[in-house]
Amino acid sequence: EADIYQTPRYLVIGTGKKITLECSQTMGHDKMYWYQQDPGMELHLIHYSYGVNSTEKGDLSSESTVSRIRTEHFPLTLESARPSHTSQYLCASSDHPSGIPSTDTQYFGPGTRLTVL
Amino acid sequence: KNQVEQSPQSLIILEGKNCTLQCNYTVSPFSNLRWYKQDTGRGPVSLTIMTFSENTKSNGRYTATLDADTKQSSLHITASQLSDSASYICVVSDRGSTLGRLYFGRGTQLTVWP
Repeated sequence: EADIYQTPRYLVIGTGKKITLECSQTMGHDKMYWYQQDPGMELHLIHYSYGVNSTEKGDLSSESTVSRIRTEHFPLTLESARPSHTSQYLCASSDHPSGIPSTDTQYFGPGTRLTVL
Repeated sequence: KNQVEQSPQSLIILEGKNCTLQCNYTVSPFSNLRWYKQDTGRGPVSLTIMTFSENTKSNGRYTATLDADTKQSSLHITASQLSDSASYICVVSDRGSTLGRLYFGRGTQLTVWP
């Protein structure tokens, strides 16, 4: 079982609200990721980080923002939630035990199911 | 366009039976292929990872195969159990960057009935 945590697990909010999805890991991993997943669809990378003070946008355009002030913490913020943001958000982290970045394994959190009314 | 296609989309089998899930990909240049298991409402958990030179990898009752020439992979589950009910996701990584971009399939939804 991976030591990566997400809160809240479920969130139902109204349009226009600001929300922050929390993600933390206790494995000391440098790399962290945020994915968006709709039912029956593939995961889409929306943000990633190589380490503290590093944040990059992923493949899927997202109106969310992220920050990486501490190694273990990678929160995602939506300034003004809309119904189109309804989805499952998965956080992940990885390390490079072999020293080869492309062979690292990502460890996923349990996800946050967001519903915007 | 790099793609990962999985089949079947869904599968129902009886407990104790074997099954095989398929993954075809067009990702290039290829780095490695992973199979993940995702229980409902949970995050994916890694089952196996195979690089270009590996053609089979086992993890308990799960055996993955890779044919890098035909760009096909399969995940064979032996003596299925009720706890195997989940979505199985094929993920292919390229070597285009230090990040090793990941391409996700949509998954095969497996249901094991008693």
